[in-house]
Amino acid sequence: AAGVIQSPRHLIKEKRETATLKCYPIPRHDTVYWYQQGPGQDPQFLISFYEKMQSDKGSIPDRFSAQQFSDYHSELNMSSLELGDSALYFCASSIRALQETQYFGPGTRLLVL
Amino acid sequence: AQTVTQSQPEMSVQEAETVTLSCTYDTSESDYYLFWYKQPPSRQMILVIRQEAYKQQNATENRFSVNFQKAAKSFSLKISDSQLGDAAMYFCAYRMNTGNQFYFGTGTSLTVIP
Repeated sequence: AAGVIQSPRHLIKEKRETATLKCYPIPRHDTVYWYQQGPGQDPQFLISFYEKMQSDKGSIPDRFSAQQFSDYHSELNMSSLELGDSALYFCASSIRALQETQYFGPGTRLLVL
Repeated sequence: AQTVTQSQPEMSVQEAETVTLSCTYDTSESDYYLFWYKQPPSRQMILVIRQEAYKQQNATENRFSVNFQKAAKSFSLKISDSQLGDAAMYFCAYRMNTGNQFYFGTGTSLTVIP
């Protein structure tokens, strides 16, 4: 079965640079979620989108923005990167109307130097 | 606010034995969902099992089962016949029925001893 696709899988940036993470949900899934997992920590919810509209907002910094496109893929844009942004960024998707479980992608490992 | 607590940072089990991972949560909601996710060294988040709060029957998925005690707000995971591939970090997660956000516990690192 198709899974959530995230790209890139690994990314190295320097402080103050920008990064864009991409997420392609499972086909027919209309909701996308972004999570940040620091080293040794549990995943923290950042933001979610349903039908291209922001549906929930968590602990996403103002330096970050995200959107969902007409093909339901989503992009997380991160600017003015800080060392503390180094983490594993997960995207998850679900079918909202069916109260489906969130299925996670493999994550993008971001390292800020 | 919803919180999820996993009081066992680390657990170990002998191969083929049974282990139970604990999870408690705090909520004022009556309808919600609970999940156990497994995160192996690859760091992929893999769904293990899910429980709807309105269902009294405990969820079961092969060797994995839960003990859901709604009144006590407890949601423990039992792994039977433990296998080496079960070694991973296990996260308990909560989601309101009306919301999208998952609240995760801090995880329990499970070691399986051959």
